[in-house]
Amino acid sequence: GAVVSQHPSRVICKSGTSVKIECRSLDFQATTMFWYRQFPKQSLMLMATSNEGSKATYEQGVEKDKFLINHASLTLSTLTVTSAHPEDSSFYICSALDRGFSYNEQFFGPGTRLTVL
Amino acid sequence: QKEVEQNSGPLSVPEGAIASLNCTYSDRVSQSFFWYRQYSGKSPELIMSIYSNGDKEDGRFTAQLNKASQYVSLLIRDSQPSDSATYLCAVTGNDMRFGAGTRLTVKP
Repeated sequence: GAVVSQHPSRVICKSGTSVKIECRSLDFQATTMFWYRQFPKQSLMLMATSNEGSKATYEQGVEKDKFLINHASLTLSTLTVTSAHPEDSSFYICSALDRGFSYNEQFFGPGTRLTVL
Repeated sequence: QKEVEQNSGPLSVPEGAIASLNCTYSDRVSQSFFWYRQYSGKSPELIMSIYSNGDKEDGRFTAQLNKASQYVSLLIRDSQPSDSATYLCAVTGNDMRFGAGTRLTVKP
């Protein structure tokens, strides 16, 4: 299957700082990437859909000015959590769509665990 | 009604038994169906995909889809302790929606 990487895998930051998370498709071009958030013992919640070369589409209730998404190339999308607060502490997971592999099949990155002190 | 519903579990089966995981969905235009396995603290890993009615087998895993009943299931034969994880059902139409997951424990 297709490989997706995320960096960093874990980050601890102080309240009020911004954190950038990178998501890369390593062996395929991903025109579409997705960003999810998962709180402990809960399911994945889609935050936004990132399309290469265009603005991200945010799910209802997700603040676009707080969670900045940039999909500048076919292999890289970034999520920046601006002015992070303790309630933003969560497991952030990206996925990428490889339309050449199978219809609508998403491949997930390993996730980034964010802890805001 | 949730878009994708799974039996919340937890589900516990003895080693070697068949584990049965169920999922129903509400959107009739859903096109693709997936089962992901997620170990604690890790991201989901795709284990099965199914697109048409019927059964699809891959090793010890069998996915079953019934679009008329809006139902998709996953059977795990000869369950192993390493199968212990949370299993997420995912359904795509315009986008992908996940169920809350079923926690499976396989006891040695």
